Amino acid sequence: EDQVTQSPEALRLQEGESSSLNCSYTVSGLRGLFWYRQDPGKGPEFLFTLYSAGEEKEKERLKATLTKKESFLHITAPKPEDSATYLCAVPDSGNAGNMLTFGGGTRLMVKP
Amino acid sequence: KAGVTQTPRYLIKTRGQQVTLSCSPISGHRSVSWYQQTPGQGLQFLFEYFSETQRNKGNFPGRFSGRQFSNSRSEMNVSTLELGDSALYLCASSWGGDLAKNIQYFGAGTRLSVL
Repeated sequence: EDQVTQSPEALRLQEGESSSLNCSYTVSGLRGLFWYRQDPGKGPEFLFTLYSAGEEKEKERLKATLTKKESFLHITAPKPEDSATYLCAVPDSGNAGNMLTFGGGTRLMVKP
Repeated sequence: KAGVTQTPRYLIKTRGQQVTLSCSPISGHRSVSWYQQTPGQGLQFLFEYFSETQRNKGNFPGRFSGRQFSNSRSEMNVSTLELGDSALYLCASSWGGDLAKNIQYFGAGTRLSVL
């Protein structure tokens, strides 16, 4: 059974204090890894897709990286508007459809 | 381009009732997936519909069902509601092909409260 674990569960940062969020996964055959951002009362918003170990993608203050066992979301000089829950997900390895297994998320709070 | 639209946004029901939630996908998308989100269990996959056929199903009881229409709009139904069904129900749409290039876009969700 595919498993996705995110750490830490919650993270408090001061504005400008860089940090990283972790997503570790156990799947029999990785077909991609997705990062989403979710604000309170809203649906998840797509951030990145990574397909193979060594791949990196960047968007503004965010950079996602992927290894064979985990992915990191690096946040550089965060701002209060980066406060949200960050979710990672992997496609189910047992079928070819769109079933995603999500981690529990990391709740990020950035204080000014 | 319009995003994924879910209606209604909020629902209050009592135990034993049934409920129907609606999802209109992004134009051109043929796959619609449903997820349940709760504080304790996080985001869990319910089922996926592609071209009016259920393609995948998660580990939920048969009280949870869905369907997809020819215009790709989808509905999910929960019968005999239980208190534990209180959750945010999210719909996601995608074009439906190879998952490697197939990003799921989520709606804002329907918040269901069962009293």
